[in-house]
Amino acid sequence: DIQMTQSPSSLSASVGDRVTITCRASQGISNYLAWYQQKPGKVPKLLIYAASTLQSGVPSRFSGSGSGTDFTLTISSLQSEDVATYYCQKYNSAPGFGPGTKVDIK
Amino acid sequence: QVQLVQSGAEVKKPGASVKVSCKASGYTFTRYDMNWVRQAPGQGLEWMGWVNPNSGNTGYALKFQGRVTMTMNTAISTAYMELSGLRSEDTAVYYCARDPAGVWSAFDLWGQGTMVTVSS
Repeated sequence: DIQMTQSPSSLSASVGDRVTITCRASQGISNYLAWYQQKPGKVPKLLIYAASTLQSGVPSRFSGSGSGTDFTLTISSLQSEDVATYYCQKYNSAPGFGPGTKVDIK
Repeated sequence: QVQLVQSGAEVKKPGASVKVSCKASGYTFTRYDMNWVRQAPGQGLEWMGWVNPNSGNTGYALKFQGRVTMTMNTAISTAYMELSGLRSEDTAVYYCARDPAGVWSAFDLWGQGTMVTVSS
């Protein structure tokens, strides 16, 4: 079973900061990697799929990169509305989620 | 519009079963698999399994095999998830989420969630 890990588990940054979240798979998953945003009390929302493809309607300050086992989600300029928990997900074979990274404003 | 609408909150006693429905609208139901994901209070997302609308084939996470059954009724564009032998640890919000049938893909549309509470 492929395990997904994320770091950090939480972070606090200022509005306008560049924020990077890392996701690692215990085995290679090519680019079958998605990122979701879940705001408090809300439904998860797909941000990025295929490791780096932005879902329609998602602001361009979000970007993804990586392949194989190591992936990153970057928010180029953090906004107050980006306060949320971010999850990576592998979706080849049996899907699985990372434990999440909680992002808030300093 | 394109949406998944789930059934309402449930309260069940330990050992009971719960069946959650997820009605799709605004898209061709048979072109997408349906997945079920749950989230315990204050915890992360946990994938439970998927069901294909054309074949009825299913794939369940090892943790839930033997306790979960996922089905679809294509005539009414509705997917179902039934979980039996409920215990307190099954208290969670249960989401349905679609992905294109036959290919590995991310979940681009989610239901609003159904809260299931297991309590004596």
